[in-house]
This record gives sequence, C-alpha cells and structure tokens, in this order.
Amino acid sequence: QVQLKESGPVLVQASETLSLTCTVSGFSLTNYGVIWVRQPPGKGLEWMGIIWRNGNTDYNSALKSRLSINRDTSKSQVFLKMNSLQTDDTAIYYCTRDYVMDAWGQGASVTVSS
Amino acid sequence: DVVLTQTPPTLSATIGQSVSISCRSSQSLLHSNGNTYLHWLLQRPGQSPQLLIYSVSRLESGVPNRFSGSGSGTDFTLKISGVEAEDLGVYYCVQGTHAPFTFGSGTKLEIK
Repeated sequence: QVQLKESGPVLVQASETLSLTCTVSGFSLTNYGVIWVRQPPGKGLEWMGIIWRNGNTDYNSALKSRLSINRDTSKSQVFLKMNSLQTDDTAIYYCTRDYVMDAWGQGASVTVSS
Repeated sequence: DVVLTQTPPTLSATIGQSVSISCRSSQSLLHSNGNTYLHWLLQRPGQSPQLLIYSVSRLESGVPNRFSGSGSGTDFTLKISGVEAEDLGVYYCVQGTHAPFTFGSGTKLEIK
C-alpha cells in the first residue's frame, strides 16, 4: 500500500527555516519522484518542487532561491527546507508521489509567526 | 512557466446533472515523448487532493466512470456525467509536462 506522511514543526518564526520530512512506504524513491505542494488557508494549490527518481530536482520559479529538496533513499524520506520564512508561507504542506500525483500525504499544517 | 486557466471558478449543479470544467494551457502540453501530462484532481472539504484522471483521459483506479477527461494540446475538459452529492469540492487541473509543474486555479463544485 502506497503511503506518504509529512512531519515537521507546526509553528515557525518569521525569518527562520522550515524543515519538513516526507516519509514514504509501499514504493521506492529510486523508482518514483516526490513532489511538494502547499496550500495557504482558503487558497488553491501551489506546486513547490520535485525530486526525481534519479535525485535531480526542479523548483517553482518563485521559490527557487530559498527552497531545497533532498532525500535519503535508505530511510525512504524526502526533505524540504525553505529559508527566510514570511507569514504568507503559512500553509498546509503536502507531499505527493511523482508527476502523476496518484498518492498524497495527509498534509502538515505550518504557521509562520511574526 | 506554463499558466493553466481553469473555468468556471464556481459551478452549481443538481444531483444527476452533467457538468464540464475547462482547463486551457498557455503552451502545448504534448511532451517530447508523445505523452500529454494533464491531470485532474478533486479536493473534498478538509481532505487532501486525490487523483481522478491522469494523462488527459485515463481514469485512476477506483474512480467512478461518471468522470471523464478529454482534450489535446492546450485545451482540456473534465466532464462529470450525472453529479452525485459526494462530488462536491474543488477540482484542479495540473500539468506535469513542463517543469516547473503548475496547477489551475480550481473550480468549486457546489450541489444545489
């Protein structure tokens, strides 16, 4: 059974760095990529970036300067780090499987406090 | 970056009514490998998004066949043939052809 689960802090201070982990099961990160998506309160979905099965990455143009995505294939974990947080980074952060997005985590709610 | 324009932003339907949602892309979504990576998602209230249709017209496993997708190039459509109460939520198109990938702005389906 394919599963993804996000974990990380609920509250982060403005100007600090957000670190989130996506732990996957039921598939290998060497066979599938993982995408990060976020959704501000009451708004639509925003594609953040992908780590492909070969380890390469692509990022949202608007976030590229402060976003990085890495992985540990042995632990089946994908990591998101985003620095210089502002209050408008408050959102639910999801990880989802590969470019088809056929499986999603339950989301991690992150509030950025000023 | 590719811009996906989704219409209408809201849709109100009665049970049993058929509805369509349009998704237009600022550039062709035909990949160099011959595939077109345009997908449709549904986000029910309080839930994570779920995949309904992938690669324009392929029905995801477990999704009712009242959902169908069509289109090519830059114009795509999701059709629900006979809306049911459980279909309420926000529908998104998303393209996976050109990185960075992008979402449409969403269509909220309400049940009258």
